[in-house]
Amino acid sequence: AQSVTQPDIHITVSEGASLELRCNYSYGATPYLFWYVQSPGQGLQLLLKYFSGDTLVQGIKGFEAEFKRSQSSFNLRKPSVHWSDAAEYFCAVGADDRGSTLGRLYFGRGTQLTVWP
Amino acid sequence: EPEVTQTPSHQVTQMGQEVILRCVPISNHLYFYWYRQILGQKVEFLVSFYNNEISEKSEIFDDQFSVERPDGSNFTLKIRSTKLEDSAMYFCASKPGLSSYEQYFGPGTRLTVT
Repeated sequence: AQSVTQPDIHITVSEGASLELRCNYSYGATPYLFWYVQSPGQGLQLLLKYFSGDTLVQGIKGFEAEFKRSQSSFNLRKPSVHWSDAAEYFCAVGADDRGSTLGRLYFGRGTQLTVWP
Repeated sequence: EPEVTQTPSHQVTQMGQEVILRCVPISNHLYFYWYRQILGQKVEFLVSFYNNEISEKSEIFDDQFSVERPDGSNFTLKIRSTKLEDSAMYFCASKPGLSSYEQYFGPGTRLTVT
């Protein structure tokens, strides 16, 4: 079965510092990968997605992520964090074992990002 | 920009009561989903819905749950007899079609069962 692991429950960085949030997945075929952000009291906003092609994908708000098949990873990065980036970040993988796009998204447990001024 | 909407934003109910959570997916979307997030835990898939029937459901989605698309715009999740452990944030999502991978999420309904 598919699974998503976000090993860091909580990360704290200073404003202006670089950021990397880790995500590892377990899936038998090429996954569809997503990063979502959730601010307090808000829904899930899509930051970026990977389906195929270039393994480095750019998203909104200056975020990027790199798909590394050999490591089963899809880590999220940002070169310089802003205070407004403080939120919870979720990695998700889509499609089922048959490669169907009907299927559910599997989410990681989330990483809470705190930004110090 | 079109978006998924959900009502109410917060629902408080007593154990054993029925609740209906409402969602209005994006108008030209064909696939609809419900997820839930218990406080402090990961977002979990409940059910997907296409062509007026359930296409997939998780082990969480037992006989206490049902979904319906009563008209051309709404998509509802009903919990027949709520339990304390049903307290969670419930998210609705939709996507345009089979060839699209991205699901668009609503803001969620926080359900509190007392």
